[in-house]
Amino acid sequence: EAGVTQSPTHLIKTRGQQATLRCSPISGHTSVYWYQQALGLGLQFLLWYDEGEERNRGNFPPRFSGRQFPNYSSELNVNALELEDSALYLCASSLGGPYGEQFFGPGTRLTVL
Amino acid sequence: DAKTTQPNSMESNEEEPVHLPCNHSTISGTDYIHWYRQLPSQGPEYVIHGLTSNVNNRMASLAIAEDRKSSTLILHRATLRDAAVYYCILRDGTGTASKLTFGTGTRLQVTL
Repeated sequence: EAGVTQSPTHLIKTRGQQATLRCSPISGHTSVYWYQQALGLGLQFLLWYDEGEERNRGNFPPRFSGRQFPNYSSELNVNALELEDSALYLCASSLGGPYGEQFFGPGTRLTVL
Repeated sequence: DAKTTQPNSMESNEEEPVHLPCNHSTISGTDYIHWYRQLPSQGPEYVIHGLTSNVNNRMASLAIAEDRKSSTLILHRATLRDAAVYYCILRDGTGTASKLTFGTGTRLQVTL
């Protein structure tokens, strides 16, 4: 069974640009989560989508947004990129509801120059 | 979110048992105790979780104190592959928020 996949593996952007990161959950999983892992800040929760709806949001500015598609895949958009947005962005999926074990993808490494 | 406290690092010899402690003195009655680990250059992976009773699975055991203010993740025979950062996480069991709140974790080194 295929795990959580993320694309691209690496992404290099310049300040002010927009970045789009994509995530495909495990088949049958309806919940998708996004986390940011920046150097020195650890893993921080960004967004949670379930059944196409945003269910919870972490302490990030509105320029971090996303959506979940009918096939449960998801994309994370980061507008007006800043240098401190450079980080590993991890996507996780779980079965519907708030209690499921989260399965993580390998991440997208975003570098903002 | 209730806070957890873990040692920054621990060392173990291969084939020896490892006990990774976690303090969570402000845990609420509906918080589940979850453990995840992150191997180098990989995303985190689920290890085990529990509410009140001790739990065992193929990866590890979780021992929960009677007052639930602390817990211990037990790796029965550490291998080199177990070298990772281990995160103890309290997860709200009321269904209002499904996020995982990661702390700094414990970096486990396993040596031959």
